Amino acid sequence: SQQGEEDPQALSIQEGENATMNCSYKTSINNLQWYRQNSGRGLVHLILIRSNEREKHSGRLRVTLDTSKKSSSLLITASRAADTASYFCAAGGGAAGNKLTFGGGTRVLVKP
Amino acid sequence: NAGVTQTPKFRVLKTGQSMTLLCAQDMNHEYMYWYRQDPGMGLRLIHYSVGEGTTAKGEVPDGYNVSRLKKQNFLLGLESAAPSQTSVYFCASRPITGHSNQPQHFGDGTRLSIL
Repeated sequence: SQQGEEDPQALSIQEGENATMNCSYKTSINNLQWYRQNSGRGLVHLILIRSNEREKHSGRLRVTLDTSKKSSSLLITASRAADTASYFCAAGGGAAGNKLTFGGGTRVLVKP
Repeated sequence: NAGVTQTPKFRVLKTGQSMTLLCAQDMNHEYMYWYRQDPGMGLRLIHYSVGEGTTAKGEVPDGYNVSRLKKQNFLLGLESAAPSQTSVYFCASRPITGHSNQPQHFGDGTRLSIL
């Protein structure tokens, strides 16, 4: 079974709005990673947050991590049509060792 | 740099046929991974390798075999394809530096249909 579960499964917003998606995981982790997948393409790494960090920013992305609740969130601010993609969280290290365990993803549609 | 290259990009097989998917990376990464992605789902790990000559089972290894004879290549084999193996297969790699605190780099996938 997958360690990461994401919520919502799908999200539709207008350009300029913020998009927030959440991820929960089950076991211990060393880090939590977020990836984007455009239709028909491979995954592209967005941001990594370590287990001893609570918040991290990269451009329009903001990631939070709450290890006590085993959850993370990804916020995309001022969304653009080009942000339309599927977003996946992946739990790394800890019980997963050298592997990543992916969630089911959130499909984001940004309407112009 | 090409990054991670997967061949072929598309393939249709008949049940019972065999084939090998090739993954090549030019980043000198130690770790390589094979995943499958089914509609509406995340990626599930099939097999992985932590270095040349080593392989290990992932979450869904049954029906697949792998080999890592050269550091830059990771091969995924289907000995007797089954319709349940219809999927999109992704290869990824990452460096050993920092152990798990390193992102994985993905290829663009191989879309495999088994009739």
